[in-house]
Amino acid sequence: GAVVSQHPSRVICKSGTSVKIECRSLDFQATTMFWYRQFPKKSLMLMATSNEGSKATYEQGVEKDKFLINHASLTLSTLTVTSAHPEDSSFYICSARETATNEKLFFGSGTQLSVL
Amino acid sequence: GQNIDQPTEMTATEGAIVQINCTYQTSGFNGLFWYQQHAGEAPTFLSYNVLDGLEEKGRFSSFLSRSKGYSYLLLKELQMKDSASYLCAVHTGGGNKLTFGTGTQLKVEL
Repeated sequence: GAVVSQHPSRVICKSGTSVKIECRSLDFQATTMFWYRQFPKKSLMLMATSNEGSKATYEQGVEKDKFLINHASLTLSTLTVTSAHPEDSSFYICSARETATNEKLFFGSGTQLSVL
Repeated sequence: GQNIDQPTEMTATEGAIVQINCTYQTSGFNGLFWYQQHAGEAPTFLSYNVLDGLEEKGRFSSFLSRSKGYSYLLLKELQMKDSASYLCAVHTGGGNKLTFGTGTQLKVEL
């Protein structure tokens, strides 16, 4: 099946720094990618929809200046958590839809962000 | 708004059958997904239902009733490795937007 690579898998940073997370579709083109965050023992919450070549669409309550999303190519989307604070500590997961199909979403392996 | 309900936790015995229910009330409906997620890992796809009825895939089956806003995931011949969180997600609108339920944490015991 299709593979989505997410990097890094784990990051620990100091408060105030920015962290970039990459999401790559390895063997398919993805015009649309999705970014989720997940708190312990909670479900995935959609943060934003990333569209190749255009601005991302953010869900209500998600600060677009805080969580910068760039989808510069059909295989890469990045999420940058700017000026991270301890409350941003969470599990971030990306997913991508294979352009040729209209069903499955394939998920990256996730990034555990810990802000000290 | 979107509302998806699942039981929070379930416990079952190895070798047994367990049914995880999901009810939903959403604005729009294109289909329903079930995902399995082990702690600290990304969700993995289990099933996708669009039409009413039962979809069987090995030890896992998924059922959908659109008129009732109801789905269930049936796991047979439970194994210890089936201990995980099971997420029900409804596909609404265009662009493959998924709304996830809170997940059901399944614990399989000897």
